[in-house]
Amino acid sequence: DTEVTQTPKHLVMGMTNKKSLKCEQHMGHRAMYWYKQKAKKPPELMFVYSYEKLSINESVPSRFSPECPNSSLLNLHLHALQPEDSALYLCASSQAAGLGRGSFGQGTRLTVV
Amino acid sequence: GQQVMQIPQYQHVQEGEDFTTYCNSSTTLSNIQWYKQRPGGHPVFLIQLVKSGEVKKQKRLTFQFGEAKKNSSLHITATQTTDVGTYFCAGRTDSWGKLQFGAGTQVVVTP
Repeated sequence: DTEVTQTPKHLVMGMTNKKSLKCEQHMGHRAMYWYKQKAKKPPELMFVYSYEKLSINESVPSRFSPECPNSSLLNLHLHALQPEDSALYLCASSQAAGLGRGSFGQGTRLTVV
Repeated sequence: GQQVMQIPQYQHVQEGEDFTTYCNSSTTLSNIQWYKQRPGGHPVFLIQLVKSGEVKKQKRLTFQFGEAKKNSSLHITATQTTDVGTYFCAGRTDSWGKLQFGAGTQVVVTP
């Protein structure tokens, strides 16, 4: 069982929709991450939050908007996505940025139609 | 920029055989982590190596970190069907803690 919880597990959205992915952890981790994973590829880092502040944005298009409301929660707001954005979106956390093992959530499998 | 290369990308193993997957970095790493992802699943942390020349064992899995901290390997002995999945190495430099994932080794086990 994962200690990082992601909802929803599956999401189908149209290109004009707005949706949000949610992630929660209660391990006291101070770094939280969003990754995108395409089939048969490694996870690609999108964003890093350290102590609730955005510390890394890997040149992600603005149609992806992260938000960290508190130390336990991480959201990814989606708007005007493209079919090529369909992927598994993984949330992860670690003790601190650059420190400790990464704990991954089960992911949200996103399909953009 | 930092790159982590991982080989082989695909490994077909007979049950009971051994195999090894290798990672090489273009730059010195502060640490390297290994993850396993089952088909349809999410990456699960296996181990972290920090020290030069470090060797760690977990039952049938042996992890090594090179002396120069630029390469690492995962060796699995007596492969079982439960070992099926993709094994990723992920290296971290001293700079800002970004994990750079290798391409992964997809392991298929034949009974």
